[in-house]
Amino acid sequence: NAGVTQTPKFQVLKTGQSMTLQCAQDMNHEYMSWYRQDPGMGLRLIHYSVGAGITDQGEVPNGYNVSRSTTEDFPLRLLSAAPSQTSVYFCASSYGGYEYGYTFGSGTRLTVV
Amino acid sequence: RKEVEQDPGPFNVPEGATVAFNCTYSNSASQSFFWYRQDCRKEPKLLMSVYSSGNEDGRFTAQLNRASQYISLLIRDSKLSDSATYLCVPGSARQLTFGSGTQLTVLP
Repeated sequence: NAGVTQTPKFQVLKTGQSMTLQCAQDMNHEYMSWYRQDPGMGLRLIHYSVGAGITDQGEVPNGYNVSRSTTEDFPLRLLSAAPSQTSVYFCASSYGGYEYGYTFGSGTRLTVV
Repeated sequence: RKEVEQDPGPFNVPEGATVAFNCTYSNSASQSFFWYRQDCRKEPKLLMSVYSSGNEDGRFTAQLNRASQYISLLIRDSKLSDSATYLCVPGSARQLTFGSGTQLTVLP
């Protein structure tokens, strides 16, 4: 049972480039979320999904897109990378949402130069 | 005002000590509460849920005071392996709100 798998683990982008961070879970969880973590700050919610075909914005959605075509996958797309998007990105999934807590992937460390 | 306030620490305690962390949250609509731990450069991991009546899991005790919007975590008989950052996490409306964490170092 792999849990939540994120790829890549590390990435360096040039300003203006686009890319997709991948997230997959094998626990049949309906709820999935993307967070970013910056030094000295708590995790901030970017986008979340409560099931296939349903997504919504979190606290810091600007510059990011998501889609949820299957229960297993929840990719995060950076449309035009900016240095302010340098961060650690975590994907998480949950059986039932906020009442049950979330399981996190190991993260993607992104640097935008 | 931040939605979740935690003392960032660091707390440096000797092995075997008892240490307590406090957290206040501003969203009165919060309905679920958790403590997560995060090791350096790793993902957060769920430590325990926090229930209104208070709950205990081995050496860890969590308390919730909804009236004061206050959550606490007590760690007894600290181990070296308890060294981590502890995140206070209230949840509401399908979302979790993470505090920036309290850093604990347990010293030999």
